[in-house]
Parts: sequence; C-alpha cells; structure tokens
Amino acid sequence: AQKVTQAQTEISVVEKEDVTLDCVYETRDTTYYLFWYKQPPSGELVFLIRRNSFDEQNEISGRYSWNFQKSTSSFNFTITASQVVDSAVYFCALGQGAGNMLTFGGGTRLMVKP
Amino acid sequence: GAVVSQHPSRVICKSGTSVKIECRSLDFQATTMFWYRQFPKQSLMLMATSNEGSKATYEQGVEKDKFLINHASLTLSTLTVTSAHPEDSSFYICSARAPGGSYNEQFFGPGTRLTVL
Repeated sequence: AQKVTQAQTEISVVEKEDVTLDCVYETRDTTYYLFWYKQPPSGELVFLIRRNSFDEQNEISGRYSWNFQKSTSSFNFTITASQVVDSAVYFCALGQGAGNMLTFGGGTRLMVKP
Repeated sequence: GAVVSQHPSRVICKSGTSVKIECRSLDFQATTMFWYRQFPKQSLMLMATSNEGSKATYEQGVEKDKFLINHASLTLSTLTVTSAHPEDSSFYICSARAPGGSYNEQFFGPGTRLTVL
C-alpha cells in the first residue's frame, strides 16, 4: 500500500527565516515519482517539482530546494529566506503504478508572518 | 501548454438539486481524467478515474450513482453531483493526464467550490 505522511500540519515562521517541510512516503514499487505542490488560498494547485525514484540528486530552484533520501523514504522541501507570498498549503504526493495514480499527503499549512 | 479548465469555479445550490461540473483540457487530448474532492483543511482524495469512452472507476466509498462521471470526448469530462446535500459541499478538483513520454503528467484544473444549502 502507498502512503504519504506530512507530519507537520501547520508551521508558522517569520519572514526571512528558512523552513523545511517534511515528507515521508511508503511504497513497494521500485519505480515511482514524488511531487510537491503549492495550494494558495485561491485553491489552485501549483506544481513545484517532480522527482523519479532513480534520481536522488538534490535540486535547487531559486529559494526552493529538495532533499530526496531513498534510505529514509523522505523527500523534504526547504524554503530559504521565506516570504509572505510563500504562505500556502504544501502537498507532497507519490505517483506510481501503470496509471501513475497520485497519493497525496495531508498537507502542511505554512504561514509566513511579516 | 497543458492547461486544464473547470466550470463553474463556484456554485451554490439548494439541497436536492443536481450540479454538473465540467473539466476541459484546453490544449491537449486527455485519455484519462481524475476527479478529486477536498474538504476544508484536508487533503485531496481521489474520487474516480475517468477514461474516454468507458465507464469511470470509482474509489472505495464513493457512490457512483451519486457522483456521475461522463468522459465523452478526449477533452471533456463532467462530474454531476446528483441530489446534492450539505455534506457534499466541498472543493472538487479535476486533473487530466497527457499521454506520451516516460511519465504521464497530470495537470490540475483550478477547482470548483460547491456549497449546498
């Protein structure tokens, strides 16, 4: 069975602080994909990153960085120098199977205060 | 590219009425579309998988007679909430899968907020 756990339901930081959002997944498949999405108050999901199970390289995109560790089944997301506009709910998701079905984590609500 | 639209974006209806939500892939053909439901402060839960020209596959616990899905063309899937009740109030999100490539990416629509009075 596949499962995605985001243990942090809510995080509050002050602007310019760094923040890491945790994601732990469970799967029996050897081929799978991991995603992060941002959901601002408007509700629309914004795609941030996709990683396949064979690529453990960490990735940096501007203030965003991702740390994929297969040994611990984790795919953590760090925002450096957070900004108020980063306030949103962030979802980690696992994609697998012939249909590439997505299983979402419970989400982490990030509040960045000025 | 890969834009998915939903209509309406917001709907308020009376209890007992039926509501139809449309999901369109605007610039690609989607053989598969997915419907998700998201209750306030909760995650997205997959309701059903819709394949063009065939019956939808519903997830466990989702009533197929209540949530009618039609995927009549490669660019349009509809979700009809029949005899809606207040407990059906939720945010409904569709996604469309673009074929081809090593991974079939899902592109999400902007969502439809349903409020049943």
